[in-house]
Amino acid sequence: AQSVAQPEDQVNVAEGNPLTVKCTYSVSGNPYLFWYVQYPNRGLQFLLKYITGDNLVKGSYGFEAEFNKSQTSFHLKKPSALVSDSALYFCAVRHSKAAGNKLTFGGGTRVLVKP
Amino acid sequence: DSGVTQTPKHLITATGQRVTLRCSPRSGDLSVYWYQQSLDQGLQFLIQYYNGEERAKGNILERFSAQQFPDLHSELNLSSLELGDSALYFCASGGGATNEKLFFGSGTQLSVL
Repeated sequence: AQSVAQPEDQVNVAEGNPLTVKCTYSVSGNPYLFWYVQYPNRGLQFLLKYITGDNLVKGSYGFEAEFNKSQTSFHLKKPSALVSDSALYFCAVRHSKAAGNKLTFGGGTRVLVKP
Repeated sequence: DSGVTQTPKHLITATGQRVTLRCSPRSGDLSVYWYQQSLDQGLQFLIQYYNGEERAKGNILERFSAQQFPDLHSELNLSSLELGDSALYFCASGGGATNEKLFFGSGTQLSVL
């Protein structure tokens, strides 16, 4: 079964400092991994995805993620966090077409960036 | 704007009642996915429709049902509502390929009192 796990419920970081949100995955076959962000009272917004190719994926709002096959991880990173990055972040894996192409999400990590 | 429209934005009802949540996917998308977001369960996949047919089923209660109409909009019906059904219900649509992202609506906040 395809699954992802986010080990941290919350991450606190000072503005200007690097931000890392952790995600590990368990998939059979090629992993299709995604990061989404949810701002208060909003729907989920796509940040980036890993399908194949470069292990470092660049996405929206200055975010990037590093795919590490040996550690089965797909951590989200931002070199310098902004207060406006405070939100709920979800890692997700997309299932095969045979399984409906649905996304399965991790439990989410709340990021709080303090000024 | 994701292009996915959900109505209503908020719904307040009583236990035992029945409600219908509506979703219009992005233009051209054939798939509709329904998710439930609650504090204790996180984001749970409920059900997927593709071009009018059920494609995948997740943790959807028997009291819940969904359908997708010929114009591709979808409705999620929740009946015999319980307090625990209070949650944010999202609809998403997207391309048919596994490597494509999903687009999410802004959700319907359901409060069962």
